[in-house]
Amino acid sequence: QKEVEQNSGPLSVPEGAIASLNCTYSDRGSQSFFWYRQYSGKSPELIMSIYSNGDKEDGRFTAQLNKASQYVSLLIRDSQPSDSATYLCAVSRMNNNDMRFGAGTRLTVKP
Amino acid sequence: IAGITQAPTSQILAAGRRMTLRCTQDMRHNAMYWYRQDLGLGLRLIHYSNTAGTTGKGEVPDGYSVSRANTDDFPLTLASAVPSQTSVYLCASSDQVGETQYFGPGTRLLVL
Repeated sequence: QKEVEQNSGPLSVPEGAIASLNCTYSDRGSQSFFWYRQYSGKSPELIMSIYSNGDKEDGRFTAQLNKASQYVSLLIRDSQPSDSATYLCAVSRMNNNDMRFGAGTRLTVKP
Repeated sequence: IAGITQAPTSQILAAGRRMTLRCTQDMRHNAMYWYRQDLGLGLRLIHYSNTAGTTGKGEVPDGYSVSRANTDDFPLTLASAVPSQTSVYLCASSDQVGETQYFGPGTRLLVL
């Protein structure tokens, strides 16, 4: 079992729809959770970080964390073609340099 | 310079050759990291440095070495390249260990 699991996709949604990206992790000691977006041929860029159970909203993006279920998700509302990218989930223990990444979910938003 | 830079952008290397990938950041971040990114495997940590003068091994350190002589620079050396080291190499930094990591543009390396 991988430490951080994501559905590799591809996930395809129509423009304007909600895209839901999911991630599970195995280390119960994880305390920091991150979502990165990576366009093809580019490096990952941070979308959101979340540290506490519940929802965290930033514009069209909402991160959801459930530590009991070891589950973190990213919702993208009003999806745009420019959201088409690979989304990486990353988890880390506090003050720990060993951040673990999932393999990523490829999202395609169709016009 | 703004953020993290890496050089070269891409490289074709003969097996057995020595190669150093460069990484420089201007954010005065304490921690720096080297990852390799392979299709289907995601990012895997090669080496890290929590502060200048210290380094540590990540998940896949074999065949690689690093140094951290100062805060800004964190070069990665392949002593004798092998084809399995063909990958995209990403350098990252964070203000403190465990915090958000910011990535450089990457180096695409092909070892033949």
